[in-house]
Amino acid sequence: GAVVSQHPSWVICKSGTSVKIECRSLDFQATTMFWYRQFPKQSLMLMATSNEGSKATYEQGVEKDKFLINHASLTLSTLTVTSAHPEDSSFYICSATSSGRTGEQYFGPGTRLTVT
Amino acid sequence: AQSVTQLDSHVSVSEGTPVLLRCNYSSSYSPSLFWYVQHPNKGLQLLLKYTSAATLVKGINGFEAEFKKSETSFHLTKPSAHMSDAAEYFCVVRRREYGNKLVFGAGTILRVKS
Repeated sequence: GAVVSQHPSWVICKSGTSVKIECRSLDFQATTMFWYRQFPKQSLMLMATSNEGSKATYEQGVEKDKFLINHASLTLSTLTVTSAHPEDSSFYICSATSSGRTGEQYFGPGTRLTVT
Repeated sequence: AQSVTQLDSHVSVSEGTPVLLRCNYSSSYSPSLFWYVQHPNKGLQLLLKYTSAATLVKGINGFEAEFKKSETSFHLTKPSAHMSDAAEYFCVVRRREYGNKLVFGAGTILRVKS
């Protein structure tokens, strides 16, 4: 149990376009989802926290208008990178948790974004 | 404030020898501590977690970690390394009062030599 999926697993897009990444909890209801970013050879940095049905809470320094997060249901959160630039190229990882699972976060496999 | 420090960015061991990955934390409250492993281009896998129960925590794949409050440490160990253990390991601390946010250490890359 406690499986989190991400789609796509990798994506290449042109500079100036937008890309949407999906995060799904497959066998539990995720009351909270987290989005992380990982640059090459670096650790994970939390970008934002989203609760189902409410606006996401962004970490300091993360542009809300650039990284749009929607958590419309208890099993799906999306991250849209708008007007992507090469510096947005990174590994994006989501995690999900529910109130019934003692707050433990379950991580998706990640999405590799390359902006050309 | 809280943080987690992984003392070694790289560790190299020979197959069959013990593994020690060091982690120190700082937290004003009793923390929840985790070790995750990440293989190249893969997501994170939970190895083990400490949540104020037994101080010696056993995880998957033969790994274990000991919570030492007096030393504010949570080092990860394994008696005998396998080639498949080569990966990056993250020590992570969680604070419930901040909505279960996780703070990641910088990571330790484990290399296993044959």
